[in-house]
Amino acid sequence: GEDVEQSLFLSVREGDSSVINCTYTDSSSTYLYWYKQEPGAGLQLLTYIFSNMDMKQDQRLTVLLNKKDKHLSLRIADTQTGDSAIYFCAESAARGATNKLIFGTGTLLAVQP
Amino acid sequence: DSGVTQTPKHLITATGQRVTLRCSPRSGDLSVYWYQQSLDQGLQFLIQYYNGEERAKGNILERFSAQQFPDLHSELNLSSLELGDSALYFCASSVGPMGGAGDSPLHFGNGTRLTVT
Repeated sequence: GEDVEQSLFLSVREGDSSVINCTYTDSSSTYLYWYKQEPGAGLQLLTYIFSNMDMKQDQRLTVLLNKKDKHLSLRIADTQTGDSAIYFCAESAARGATNKLIFGTGTLLAVQP
Repeated sequence: DSGVTQTPKHLITATGQRVTLRCSPRSGDLSVYWYQQSLDQGLQFLIQYYNGEERAKGNILERFSAQQFPDLHSELNLSSLELGDSALYFCASSVGPMGGAGDSPLHFGNGTRLTVT
């Protein structure tokens, strides 16, 4: 079946690194995404990685993909209070005429000053 | 700002009623997606339209329907509302029909919060 799992909550201190983890089940996933949702707002695309890549770095964000273990992580360096939000990972796989995007349950990141 | 506009932001209505949620996609995007976000179900895909035609269906109830108009805006109609329909409803758009592929990511609106009393 298709399932994406994340831990529910992560608390870090300002300036530390945050690592948010995600596991998925669909081995045919082609792209994996990280979205950020701030209170009262929609999902903001942060970054994505193609399934044949192991790592992608984008400023303070580093995405690591272990395709064998179906494990995805998002590392935020020098975490700031403005990074406090819910982070969703999502896997994407072609399904006929469309792409199916399956979202995880979201991880609430709380950054303590 | 994602460029996706949803109205209204908040909607409070009673059980049994019918409501319409509206979405304008980003300029140039031809695909529109509707998602429901609730505490117990997470983010669930409802339906996708591409250039006016239904493209894919997810966990959309028969009481719900949607359409995409020639100007590409979309409406989601929810009828015979139940308490359990209370949720955040998001619209997203992408350039092509295969939204979710790396070069055609989904861009989300800020959602409509529906409260059914």
